[in-house]
Order: sequence, then C-alpha cells, then structure tokens
Amino acid sequence: EVQLVESGGGLAQPGGSLRLSCAGSGFTFSSHNLNWVRQAPGKGLEWVSHISGSGAVIYNADSVKGRFTISRDNAKNSLYLQMNSLRDDDTAIYYCARERRFTGGYYGMDVWGQGTTVTVSS
Amino acid sequence: EIVLTQSPATLSLSPGAGATLSCRASQSVGSHLAWYQQKPGQAPRLLIYDASNRATGIPARFSGSGSGTEFILTISSLEPGDFAVYYCQQRSTWPLTFGGGTKVEIK
Repeated sequence: EVQLVESGGGLAQPGGSLRLSCAGSGFTFSSHNLNWVRQAPGKGLEWVSHISGSGAVIYNADSVKGRFTISRDNAKNSLYLQMNSLRDDDTAIYYCARERRFTGGYYGMDVWGQGTTVTVSS
Repeated sequence: EIVLTQSPATLSLSPGAGATLSCRASQSVGSHLAWYQQKPGQAPRLLIYDASNRATGIPARFSGSGSGTEFILTISSLEPGDFAVYYCQQRSTWPLTFGGGTKVEIK
C-alpha cells in the first residue's frame, strides 16, 4: 500500500523548534517530489515547502523562509521539516504530500499523509 | 505570487443536484491546475490534474475545464459523499498556491 505517515508534531513555545518527519512506503521514494502543506485551524490549505526527488531543488513559501528547512533521506524513505523560530501563526496540521508527474509535465499531489498537529503557544 | 480566487465560498445543494465551482487565477497558469476534495478530519484527495484530467479512481461525475485564468469543477449529480470542501491549486509558478476553498453543503 502506498502511504505517507507524518510524526513529530506537538506543542512548542514561540521561538522554539520542532522537527517533523514523514515516512513513505509502497513506492519508489526517490522518484517523487514531496511537499509540506499546512492547514491552520478552520482555515484553508497553505503550501509550505517543496523538495525534488534527488533533494537538489528546494522551494519555500515566503512565510517560512529562513525559519523552516526541508530535507529528505532517500535511503530511509523519509522526508523532514526542521521548524525553527516558531510563531503562533505556525499552528496548523502539517501534511506531507507526494507529487506525481503526469503525461505532459503536469503535476498533482496524489498521496497525502494523515497529518501531524503543531501547536505553538506559551 | 499567483492568487487563486474560488467562488462561491459556500454552495448549498441537495443530493442529486449539479454543482459548478469556479477558480480564477490572478495570472495565467496555462493548464497547470489541480482540484482537491477535503472532508472533515481527512487529508485532501486529488480529483483533477492538468485542469481536466481525472486522477485515478475519481468517478466520472467529476469533471474539470478551463485554461489560462478561468477554471471550473463540475459535479454532475451530487452524492452524499461529495459534500466537502474543494480547493484548486496551481503548479505553474512558484510559490505553489491554493484557492481559499468552496464548501459544498447539504441544503
């Protein structure tokens, strides 16, 4: 079964750090780009960060630049998000999502984890 | 940053009715647009990619159309499991962006 499983969420203080992990299984992990997408309570989806299959290409949302670092270990089939200098507005469910490249160069996030909850509060 | 504006914010319909959801981009995204469905307490699910292609396992009652800046998601006849929030997302230009969502609720 193709799946992604996030872990590492929890309660952090403003200014603190957390490291999220996402374990993939049932597919060739290194062949897929991966994204972190978050959803604040009662709000819509917000893209956070992207990493290519090899790890060579990374993009980040402006809201997390300089604070969050995405990485991956293809030998361990794992994706990470190092979150530093956390703020109240980083409170959200964080999802990892696999990108699939379809014919014609189009993409969609076709596999999602169940999400891990990050709460930033003093 | 490309802003995606979805309308209406909420659509109140009865089972069996048809639904038309709109997504407008602030600049052209070509056909690099996807649609997702999200039910309460669940992760999003990919419905449509390339503006009009159904993802694996998505029923034919879901269809997408449009290109450039105007996109439509049509649900031909709503089933009970279709009442959810729908998001569009562009993959034309970084940063990736999502629309604010349309909630399809039971009337």
